[in-house]
Amino acid sequence: ILNVEQSPQSLHVQEGDSTNFTCSFPSSNFYALHWYRWETAKSPEALFVMTLNGDEKKKGRISATLNTKEGYSYLYIKGSQPEDSATYLCAFNNAGNMLTFGGGTRLMVKP
Amino acid sequence: DAGVIQSPRHEVTEMGQEVTLRCKPISGHDYLFWYRQTMMRGLELLIYFNNNVPIDDSGMPEDRFSAKMPNASFSTLKIQPSEPRDSAVYFCASKQGFGGYTFGSGTRLTVV
Repeated sequence: ILNVEQSPQSLHVQEGDSTNFTCSFPSSNFYALHWYRWETAKSPEALFVMTLNGDEKKKGRISATLNTKEGYSYLYIKGSQPEDSATYLCAFNNAGNMLTFGGGTRLMVKP
Repeated sequence: DAGVIQSPRHEVTEMGQEVTLRCKPISGHDYLFWYRQTMMRGLELLIYFNNNVPIDDSGMPEDRFSAKMPNASFSTLKIQPSEPRDSAVYFCASKQGFGGYTFGSGTRLTVV
């Protein structure tokens, strides 16, 4: 069983705050780390796929970093907006075809 | 492409009844996955197919669950007989090779 953990489980921030959360995963047999954004009543939406140690990806106000040697990835949101409220999932791919998902971080941004 | 299409969106059924969930993957995708999402366990992989062949069904909780993929454009997940603890959101996802997943909108199943 692959252990993929996300922290914190939930997070409440004020509009305009910047925030970040963590995904930890096994450091062996790494192939890729995926981040998804999942709004209630919708399907998970792919944000990033990261494959190289030291990768940093950015999409608007959201960015992510990857450390495969120590087995963690950070997701950052700069200047949070209410529409950023969602559950953010990371998923670990160990060169197989399955993704093992973390439990998610539920972000709530208050106006 | 319309994306991964799941039906129905919502299903309410009585305990003991058979339930069939349906999924149409994205055309050309050669992998199809069935996931179950619950508050307690998050997203769990139930089974996945490659080129219509089941590859790993170790996540299927019990014999009451079965999945088929008769062709590249259709898959079903069946629960017979259904139980209240099967209540969850069931997601289907597909992908091409080592690409990222595309998820369907999910089927919210309630067993009463």
